[in-house]
Amino acid sequence: DGGITQSPKYLFRKEGQNVTLSCEQNLNHDAMYWYRQDPGQGLRLIYYSQIVNDFQKGDIAEGYSVSREKKESFPLTVTSAQKNPTAFYLCASSIVAGRRQVYEQYFGPGTRLTVT
Amino acid sequence: AQTVTQSQPEMSVQEAETVTLSCTYDTSESDYYLFWYKQPPSRQMILVIRQEAYKQQNATENRFSVNFQKAAKSFSLKISDSQLGDAAMYFCAYRGYNNDMRFGAGTRLTVKP
Repeated sequence: DGGITQSPKYLFRKEGQNVTLSCEQNLNHDAMYWYRQDPGQGLRLIYYSQIVNDFQKGDIAEGYSVSREKKESFPLTVTSAQKNPTAFYLCASSIVAGRRQVYEQYFGPGTRLTVT
Repeated sequence: AQTVTQSQPEMSVQEAETVTLSCTYDTSESDYYLFWYKQPPSRQMILVIRQEAYKQQNATENRFSVNFQKAAKSFSLKISDSQLGDAAMYFCAYRGYNNDMRFGAGTRLTVKP
């Protein structure tokens, strides 16, 4: 089955540690995205990538880093510089839309990160 | 960056009735795309409906339809014949020319039996 996988579903870390969240897709999508979801704030864009070896900052990139070495993989590292890392993280992918072509994003099941 | 505003944190509807969820957005782009996503308690995001800004005709998907007012930058979702399974968080989303996506804060919909 085609889809997006995120692992693990729940992740616990101690404050001051870096942690990497996994996101893999087998949909052959060029674009991949990372979002953070906090209660009452909807989804906020962290990073996105439209092609291998290239990515752009979203609205809340500070304290996060990403890599895009393979088309199917877009891992997110939450660094110790992120002040409030506890949140629900969603990964998504999409076909890269050309002009007047609309494609929706497909989402993974999410990872709940708790930092204490 | 573009912003998306959902002014109704919570809404409720009686089963079989109709409810409208509001969404406004701010942009200077002429070509863009709008979406409504549903997030049930499982937290899996599910596409409900999409709208291309260059199309004047409002999109419909079975019981779901939108009222797209481009000049007013408004994109509301109407759910007809509401069902218990429609209870969820609903997010309005804007996709710009650079393929970045912005979401509103969401509206929690409760369906009363």
